[in-house]
Amino acid sequence: NAGVTQTPKFRVLKTGQSMTLLCAQDMNHEYMYWYRQDPGMGLRLIHYSVGEGTTAKGEVPDGYNVSRLKKQNFLLGLESAAPSQTSVYFCASSYSKLAGEETQYFGPGTRLLVL
Amino acid sequence: ILNVEQSPQSLHVQEGDSTNFTCSFPSSNFYALHWYRWETAKSPEALFVMTLNGDEKKKGRISATLNTKEGYSYLYIKGSQPEDSATYLCAPDMEYGNKLVFGAGTILRVKS
Repeated sequence: NAGVTQTPKFRVLKTGQSMTLLCAQDMNHEYMYWYRQDPGMGLRLIHYSVGEGTTAKGEVPDGYNVSRLKKQNFLLGLESAAPSQTSVYFCASSYSKLAGEETQYFGPGTRLLVL
Repeated sequence: ILNVEQSPQSLHVQEGDSTNFTCSFPSSNFYALHWYRWETAKSPEALFVMTLNGDEKKKGRISATLNTKEGYSYLYIKGSQPEDSATYLCAPDMEYGNKLVFGAGTILRVKS
């Protein structure tokens, strides 16, 4: 049982390049989330999904797109990377049964540097 | 955007000291309050999920209380140990969808 995994662990991009971050979970969770973490700030929600085929915007969605084609995977895309997107990205997942009372399980994070 | 405040920002204590930190959040439309523990180079891990006013949770030397009417939660650590060193995050769910709003965290360093 691997829990929540993220690929890649670290990436350097040039401004304008695109990339996709992959999150996978093997706990059969319905809900999945993408957060970014910047120094001095809390985890901020980028996008989230309440089930396969559904996505919704979080607090800071601009410049990102997501897809949830399979229940176990949640992809975060950067179409044209900007230096402001330099951050550590965390994926998380949770059950849906008790909604806001369900614990979120976090992946190990992806460190992204945009030059 | 909801404002979730955690204080203090950082705390340095000696091994054996007891300590506590505060999480403040808007008291309206409250559904649940999460506490997470985040060790350096690891992922955040859940400590508690609290839902009721007056709720109190305990796990070993760590406990938490919740006041939903006034919008705050306290996290207590009794007899701090070096392994308690971590960032402690709180996150209320204000929309009943498990969309958590995280505070910036309290950094705890315990010296042996």
